[in-house]
Amino acid sequence: QVRLQESGPGLVKPSETLSLTCTVSGVSISSYYWSWIRQPPGKGLDWVGYIYYSGSINYNPSLKSRVTISVDTSKNQLSLKLRSVTAADTAVYYCARDGSTSGWFLDYWGQGTLVTVSS
Amino acid sequence: QSALTQPASVSGSPGQSITISCTGTSSDVGGYNYVSWYQQHPGKAPKLMIYDVSNRPSGVSNRFSGSKSGNTASLTISGLQAEDEADYYCSSYTSSYTGVFGTGTKVTVL
Repeated sequence: QVRLQESGPGLVKPSETLSLTCTVSGVSISSYYWSWIRQPPGKGLDWVGYIYYSGSINYNPSLKSRVTISVDTSKNQLSLKLRSVTAADTAVYYCARDGSTSGWFLDYWGQGTLVTVSS
Repeated sequence: QSALTQPASVSGSPGQSITISCTGTSSDVGGYNYVSWYQQHPGKAPKLMIYDVSNRPSGVSNRFSGSKSGNTASLTISGLQAEDEADYYCSSYTSSYTGVFGTGTKVTVL
């Protein structure tokens, strides 16, 4: 059974760095692409970026200057770092697996973790 | 990149069929058969309902179907049921090797 679990601080101060980890179980993280997605309270889904273990990475252009996604294959984890956060970065953050071999769809999702940016 | 355009809300009575549109451009929806649809109930993570325009994952009811014409994709829910009341999002791969989501549609079962 594939499971994804996000973890990290629920409160981050403005101008600081948001750091989240997604622990994957039931499948090797080396076998798929993995994405981060966020959803501000009461709003729609916003794709943050994706990564493949070999180093293929791409980010949402609107966040590219502030975001870093990485994988740790030894721990079967992926991570998200978002720098210089503001209140606009307050959202539920999800990690998800891209189940396609050549395409784009997210077939397994974590439960999400709410991160609030506030002093 | 701009979000794909969906109607804010769609409603129908139990047993009816409804269709949700998802309009993009030739750089995303129109350029690839990589459109997917997600159902999200309040407080829950999104659930994949359709992938590659018209394919249903195992376990998803055959009341859900997808199609595409030009730059617009569509999700049809037939035999509408109370449990279908949720938010629905489309998503597409783009020519910039990124993903993009739709603006979201709230489905109400009257």
